Amino acid sequence: DSGVTQTPKHLITATGQRVTLRCSPRSGDLSVYWYQQSLDQGLQFLIQYYNGEERAKGNILERFSAQQFPDLHSELNLSSLELGDSALYFCASSVGLAGGPRETQYFGPGTRLLVL
Amino acid sequence: GNSVTQMEGPVTLSEEAFLTINCTYTATGYPSLFWYVQYPGEGLQLLLKATKADDKGSNKGFEATYRKETTSFHLEKGSVQVSDSAVYFCALSDTGGGNKLTFGTGTQLKVEL
Repeated sequence: DSGVTQTPKHLITATGQRVTLRCSPRSGDLSVYWYQQSLDQGLQFLIQYYNGEERAKGNILERFSAQQFPDLHSELNLSSLELGDSALYFCASSVGLAGGPRETQYFGPGTRLLVL
Repeated sequence: GNSVTQMEGPVTLSEEAFLTINCTYTATGYPSLFWYVQYPGEGLQLLLKATKADDKGSNKGFEATYRKETTSFHLEKGSVQVSDSAVYFCALSDTGGGNKLTFGTGTQLKVEL
């Protein structure tokens, strides 16, 4: 158990809909990361937050947005869903930024999204 | 940009065989290198890491050495077990301010009795 929790575990929805994925980082971790794992794209970085502020952005679609709240949990919002958004979405957390690239990211169990 | 190249899978080995999974990278600066493992139906778990050239990461019998001259971080284990069956991901961390990870495509390992 990494200490990172994600809800829900599974999500089935229809095209055009909007969903929210939730992540609680390990106790004391200030950075939260979101990744998407799909068969055709592999594991791709979406976005990072550090202590409530957006820190880095990757291949995140404009239909997707995220935020980190004062209690440090994070939510990833996916809207106008398409079939191709079906994937496993992982959240990870790390202590902060001071360790830079040496920091270990701890991954949650993921949310499996199926868009029908 | 940064990239990671892993050997294609699946790799099928007999129990107690020697394992090598090749990983090479392209990066600017001095990234840290990681191996993560994903068991069926689960999230990614850190297996080992190395943060500077010539560092050797090791855990649970697995080892990998950060080779800057060959830009490689090959994963090795002397004697695999059935329980090692999983998908293994090589990754590097960004040095540009954030700490995002760039992953390889993953290598599926199947160990048979």
